[in-house]
Amino acid sequence: GQNIDQPTEMTATEGAIVQINCTYQTSGFNGLFWYQQHAGEAPTFLSYNVLDGLEEKGRFSSFLSRSKGYSYLLLKELQMKDSASYLCAATGGSYIPTFGRGTSLIVHP
Amino acid sequence: DVKVTQSSRYLVKRTGEKVFLECVQDMDHENMFWYRQDPGLGLRLIYFSYDVKMKEKGDIPEGYSVSREKKERFSLILESASTNQTSMYLCASSFPTGRSYEQYFGPGTRLTVT
Repeated sequence: GQNIDQPTEMTATEGAIVQINCTYQTSGFNGLFWYQQHAGEAPTFLSYNVLDGLEEKGRFSSFLSRSKGYSYLLLKELQMKDSASYLCAATGGSYIPTFGRGTSLIVHP
Repeated sequence: DVKVTQSSRYLVKRTGEKVFLECVQDMDHENMFWYRQDPGLGLRLIYFSYDVKMKEKGDIPEGYSVSREKKERFSLILESASTNQTSMYLCASSFPTGRSYEQYFGPGTRLTVT
């Protein structure tokens, strides 16, 4: 079975750093995705972690700890356009992703 | 530029009607997926297909069926629409299983059943 947990909502200030956490319990875990979804739009791919550690991609970084069943998405130098939902998804033995309920991030001036 | 398109952005149907939602991808992806997205519940998998004429049930297949006659097209069918099927429906595609490839999503169809 699979269980993905992430906070429902977070708020942050423009220019700040925010960390969105995701915990998972996934049989035969393979890897973890992060997607961004702006209101009324389709989710778009941000990152995919298979190995432990931090992967940096511009202002966004994603971290994975397989032993702890834990990942986070780190957003630096927040901009207003980063206001969106962030979806965590874990893949298990079937390689079909199971999504968490999403974290709504609100960035205010 | 990769593309997943869905037949309608908004759709209003009556209870009991048969509803077809169409999805087309131009990336030659083997895998295609149908999700529904509801507030507070996130993305839930209805059905997926890993090849033409192949289909697998997801987490919430009840009340739905699918058809994949061609590689690029994956259809979701609501045999007899009900009000609890009012939702946002998202189609996605990806490269084959065996490795986890990112999914590409269509813009979604917001279906209202009255």
